[in-house]
Amino acid sequence: NAGVTQTPKFQVLKTGQSMTLQCAQDMNHEYMSWYRQDPGMGLRLIHYSVGAGITDQGEVPNGYNVSRSTTEDFPLRLLSAAPSQTSVYFCASSPTKTGLPWDTQYFGPGTRLTVL
Amino acid sequence: ILNVEQSPQSLHVQEGDSTNFTCSFPSSNFYALHWYRWETAKSPEALFVMTLNGDEKKKGRISATLNTKEGYSYLYIKGSQPEDSATYLCARNYGQNFVFGPGTRLSVLP
Repeated sequence: NAGVTQTPKFQVLKTGQSMTLQCAQDMNHEYMSWYRQDPGMGLRLIHYSVGAGITDQGEVPNGYNVSRSTTEDFPLRLLSAAPSQTSVYFCASSPTKTGLPWDTQYFGPGTRLTVL
Repeated sequence: ILNVEQSPQSLHVQEGDSTNFTCSFPSSNFYALHWYRWETAKSPEALFVMTLNGDEKKKGRISATLNTKEGYSYLYIKGSQPEDSATYLCARNYGQNFVFGPGTRLSVLP
């Protein structure tokens, strides 16, 4: 198993550009999530999904869209990049079924995004 | 969204010292408390998941305790080694979300 994979590893964008961060997992996990990590602030939840076709907002969803058309993939879209979105982005998955989120999350390697 | 706090923010210890850090969280509607170990330039890796008041978990030299009534968890490292240097994160479930604390950065000096 590859676990949780993320692409790209690094990305530089100009303000106003859009892009999609890819996340995939091959563990048949129901729960997937996106976090951003900023210095001194820990991991903050952007969006999450409890299964294909179901997504919901986390703590900091503004400026980001997600979709979950398959169990395996959970892409994160930046609609119009802003310098405030410069961060390290982590995707995670968990075998948790809907409503019982106490299983461990498995994290991808991260994407370092810089918006100029 | 609830607040998960961790203390201290950072810690330097000598090799061989034992140490501990604290995770504090609101105790209402508690489901589970997670501890993760996060090495620089890597992804967070799970250490423990604890669900019951009074839970104690152990993995090698690392152990953790949980008090859900007062809303805290302690992580202990016995006989710290340089390879224990990392950021230790705790996270609490809030509904279907995980809310992470800011972490405690541990540096173990040889």
